Amino acid sequence: GAGVSQTPSNKVTEKGKYVELRCDPISGHTALYWYRQSLGQGPEFLIYFQGTGAADDSGLPNDRFFAVRPEGSVSTLKIQRTERGDSAVYLCASSPQTLVGSPLHFGNGTRLTVT
Amino acid sequence: AQKITQTQPGMFVQEKEAVTLDCTYDTSDPSYGLFWYKQPSSGEMIFLIYQGSYDQQNATEGRYSLNFQKARKSANLVISASQLGDSAMYFCAMREGSGAQKLVFGQGTRLTINP
Repeated sequence: GAGVSQTPSNKVTEKGKYVELRCDPISGHTALYWYRQSLGQGPEFLIYFQGTGAADDSGLPNDRFFAVRPEGSVSTLKIQRTERGDSAVYLCASSPQTLVGSPLHFGNGTRLTVT
Repeated sequence: AQKITQTQPGMFVQEKEAVTLDCTYDTSDPSYGLFWYKQPSSGEMIFLIYQGSYDQQNATEGRYSLNFQKARKSANLVISASQLGDSAMYFCAMREGSGAQKLVFGQGTRLTINP
């Protein structure tokens, strides 16, 4: 079956612009996660959705970052007034449930470059 | 606070040898899960193996096994009979059972298999 799909795979934008990153999770997965990975680092948690609601947004670095999942499936990560420090790979993951032993299934990520 | 520590930034191993990648964790939650992921240069995050805090036996999945030492709070990944295709970044991650549903990742270890 299809895995987690993220679009675009690459995004180059100018400092100050607005960007949207899309994540299409595995069908039927209720839990959806966004992570950010800088070069040579481990993934850093941003936000987690259970269904349509953001259950934990404690990892969002500031109010320029926002994410939605209006119908409990596709999610969009939105970044306003982008800064060069936002350059990273943004990873989306989904999980069929949120039991402690449920692994996350990751997409291939969106590489964001802010010039 | 750093909850997952991977102290080996890089490891170099000869093909067909076994290799152990270290991971220590910190939690006061009695219920937790430990995961290992592989990230090749292509960037995808591949789930390898899972160990639950209440599991009595060490987890195994093919050539992967997890050396779980609960009292020492360590969860080392052992790869037997290494192959060239094992060259990748390896991340240890933890999910706590109560409340937080996110996976927290370590900094990773870059494993290089030499022919």
